[in-house]
Amino acid sequence: EVQLVESGGSLVQPGGSLKLSCVASGFTFSNYWMDWVRQTPGKSLEWIGEINTDGSKTNYAPSIKDRFTISRDNAKSTLYLQMSNVKSDDTAIYYCTTNWELWGQGVMVTVSS
Amino acid sequence: DVVLTQTPPTLSATIGQSVSISCRSSQSLLHSNGNTYLHWLLQRPGQSPQLLIYSVSRLESGVPNRFSGSGSGTDFTLKISGVEAEDLGVYYCVQGTHAPRTFGGGTKLELK
Repeated sequence: EVQLVESGGSLVQPGGSLKLSCVASGFTFSNYWMDWVRQTPGKSLEWIGEINTDGSKTNYAPSIKDRFTISRDNAKSTLYLQMSNVKSDDTAIYYCTTNWELWGQGVMVTVSS
Repeated sequence: DVVLTQTPPTLSATIGQSVSISCRSSQSLLHSNGNTYLHWLLQRPGQSPQLLIYSVSRLESGVPNRFSGSGSGTDFTLKISGVEAEDLGVYYCVQGTHAPRTFGGGTKLELK
């Protein structure tokens, strides 16, 4: 089955760190650029950033640049989002997606003390 | 950043009715390579978004042909020709021409 499965979401304190994972299956992961997108409760979608097929190039939204890092391990068919110095505004559901075609089920991150 | 403005924010429809959603961009979405990277997504309640239309008018595999997209430059439209119950949810346009990628604010389609 072609799918993306995110994990790693949890409650984290402001200023803390968290690493999300997205495992791909059913397709050749290494052939696809990958994106992270988030959605705050009841709100619209926000693009976080993207990574190219071999992981050598990343682009980020200005709102999160320098706090979040996107990486990938093609041998494990896994995409990562390293979140640092998190803020309450980072509370959201985080999705991984391939060019908007395939989406994971999303994982909840809550930033609160 | 490119701002995508969707109208209306809420759309009430009866089953079988045809409806349209507008997505207006603050900048032209025509890429220097000649392509226009404006896509439409549907997010049903409690689900992840799904791709309906890509590159303005191309129907994603498996999506019913009652969905169609049109437009160019800064003005784009999604049309549903005969709403069905499974079409209810929030529709988003998203652009991939300019960095950073941006989404419209969404249009909620509900039953009248």
